[in-house]
Amino acid sequence: EDQVTQSPEALRLQEGESSSLNCSYTVSGLRGLFWYRQDPGKGPEFLFTLYSAGEEKEKERLKATLTKKESFLHITAPKPEDSATYLCAVQETGTASKLTFGTGTRLQVTL
Amino acid sequence: SAVISQKPSRDICQRGTSLTIQCQVDSQVTMMFWYRQQPGQSLTLIATANQGSEATYESGFVIDKFPISRPNLTFSTLTVSNMSPEDSSIYLCSVEDGYNEQFFGPGTRLTVL
Repeated sequence: EDQVTQSPEALRLQEGESSSLNCSYTVSGLRGLFWYRQDPGKGPEFLFTLYSAGEEKEKERLKATLTKKESFLHITAPKPEDSATYLCAVQETGTASKLTFGTGTRLQVTL
Repeated sequence: SAVISQKPSRDICQRGTSLTIQCQVDSQVTMMFWYRQQPGQSLTLIATANQGSEATYESGFVIDKFPISRPNLTFSTLTVSNMSPEDSSIYLCSVEDGYNEQFFGPGTRLTVL
């Protein structure tokens, strides 16, 4: 069965203090790995999809990378508006687009 | 990306009643999904709803409890039947675009008393 584990569960950063969030996964075959941002009371907001080891994608202060066993979401010089829960999800080959989510990392960025 | 709306945004219901949640998309999509996000937990797929066929349910979810309709390529409903407090959750619909990207609606926050 697919397993997605995110760490840390919670992270508190000061503004400008760069860090990384981790998503470890176990699937028989990876079709895609997804990153979402979720603000309280809202639905997840799509950030990135990664498909193969070595792939990287960037958006503003966020950069996602992928290896055969894990993905990292690097946050460079974060701002308070980056505070949210970041969710990782995997899509396994042979499944009809089903996403299996991790439990997320709650990020708080303070001034 | 697709723009997705859900109705209602929140509701408080009595035990034993049913609630139907609507999901509307601003463009035609083949695949729509319904997820549940229980308090403090992550998202779990309930079922996949494709137009013109019956919904496909994940393990632990059954049609009698969560009937789904998909009358066209822009709309779907999820009904939570015979509710109990354990059904209190956020229910989210999502759609997949032509690039294997899934976008989520704002969610429906359900509280069952």
